[in-house]
Amino acid sequence: DVKVTQSSRYLVKRTGEKVFLECVQDMDHENMFWYRQDPGLGLRLIYFSYDVKMKEKGDIPEGYSVSREKKERFSLILESASTNQTSMYLCASPPGGGFSNQPQHFGDGTRLSIL
Amino acid sequence: LAKTTQPISMDSYEGQEVNITCSHNNIATNDYITWYQQFPSQGPRFIIQGYKTKVTNEVASLFIPADRKSSTLSLPRVSLSDTAVYYCVSGSARQLTFGSGTQLTVLP
Repeated sequence: DVKVTQSSRYLVKRTGEKVFLECVQDMDHENMFWYRQDPGLGLRLIYFSYDVKMKEKGDIPEGYSVSREKKERFSLILESASTNQTSMYLCASPPGGGFSNQPQHFGDGTRLSIL
Repeated sequence: LAKTTQPISMDSYEGQEVNITCSHNNIATNDYITWYQQFPSQGPRFIIQGYKTKVTNEVASLFIPADRKSSTLSLPRVSLSDTAVYYCVSGSARQLTFGSGTQLTVLP
């Protein structure tokens, strides 16, 4: 069974801090995604990566960056955290590479609070 | 960009069949329709996926009309443990559009 693991379930940080959210998948998938989930807004795509060191912006990339140095790990970085980045962050990875339409496997999320 | 619309909430009783309908404006030719289930403090879990007509698996059925502008998730004989948020998702690969989710509450 595919496992997508997010390093923290809950995180509290202060405004202006640099924040790292980590995600690891154990099935050698090429594609990995970062979403944020807010009440009434569903899931919105921040960034995705389709290979090591490759990344593309999603719908709401402002204030975020990503890093993918190894195939199994995809990191989301909040360069200077702000209160409007308080949210649930979800990492996902589908089987198949390229433009595969396989369903996403999600981690259990990191609930991030910025004070 | 495709827009996905679904009801905010639905109530049902144990043992009943539940149908949740989603509309997806501007769905593209290559787009698939996928439904996910999410419990509190967990990530979404895949339920079913289809492209057209009807798809059935061990937990649900998915009905997609010929014009593909909507889809209906059907959950047979729901139980209390089916209380969750259900998301309709349209799109392909790297361009997925999530609906805002339907909170299904199953009552005893």
